[in-house]
Amino acid sequence: AQKVTQAQTEISVVEKEDVTLDCVYETRDTTYYLFWYKQPPSGELVFLIRRNSFDEQNEISGRYSWNFQKSTSSFNFTITASQVVDSAVYFCALIRGAGNTPLVFGKGTRLSVIA
Amino acid sequence: GAGVSQTPSNKVTEKGKYVELRCDPISGHTALYWYRQSLGQGPEFLIYFQGTGAADDSGLPNDRFFAVRPEGSVSTLKIQRTERGDSAVYLCASSLTSASGGLYNEQFFGPGTRLTVL
Repeated sequence: AQKVTQAQTEISVVEKEDVTLDCVYETRDTTYYLFWYKQPPSGELVFLIRRNSFDEQNEISGRYSWNFQKSTSSFNFTITASQVVDSAVYFCALIRGAGNTPLVFGKGTRLSVIA
Repeated sequence: GAGVSQTPSNKVTEKGKYVELRCDPISGHTALYWYRQSLGQGPEFLIYFQGTGAADDSGLPNDRFFAVRPEGSVSTLKIQRTERGDSAVYLCASSLTSASGGLYNEQFFGPGTRLTVL
């Protein structure tokens, strides 16, 4: 079975601080995809990034960066120089295999960025 | 282009009543998913359609829940004899189909329907 654990329930930072959101996953599949989604107060889930199990290269997109480490089954997300607009709930998720299959989500981390 | 739309945005009903929730996926997306999100939790999978047929309904909690997608586009999630525990946000997502996954397994989510059972 697949499982995603986001141990941090809530994080609060002051604007311009860096913050890392942790994600640990469990799967027996050798092919899988990992995702991060953002859920702002409006409620709609916004796709941020997808990573496949064969690509361990870290990725940077503007102030966002992701660190994928198969050895520790982790896919952590860092926001650099956080802004108030980053306040949201962030979900890490996993898809097994290589086709269209359902997402398995973690419970989410609520990030509050204070001005 | 238009994203995934869901109606109604809010639904309040009484215990024991029947409700229908509608999802209109992105045009051309053959895969459609229903998830349920309870307060403070991540979305949980309910059912997944590939075209008109349910490819996986293992997430439906019991036989009071049923979903259809008769023409391979719009889907309706139906809940009979609603219970207070059914209160949640029901999310719909759609994606393109790819036999090998690749670029096409990104799921695009709608805004959800907030169901409240009194």
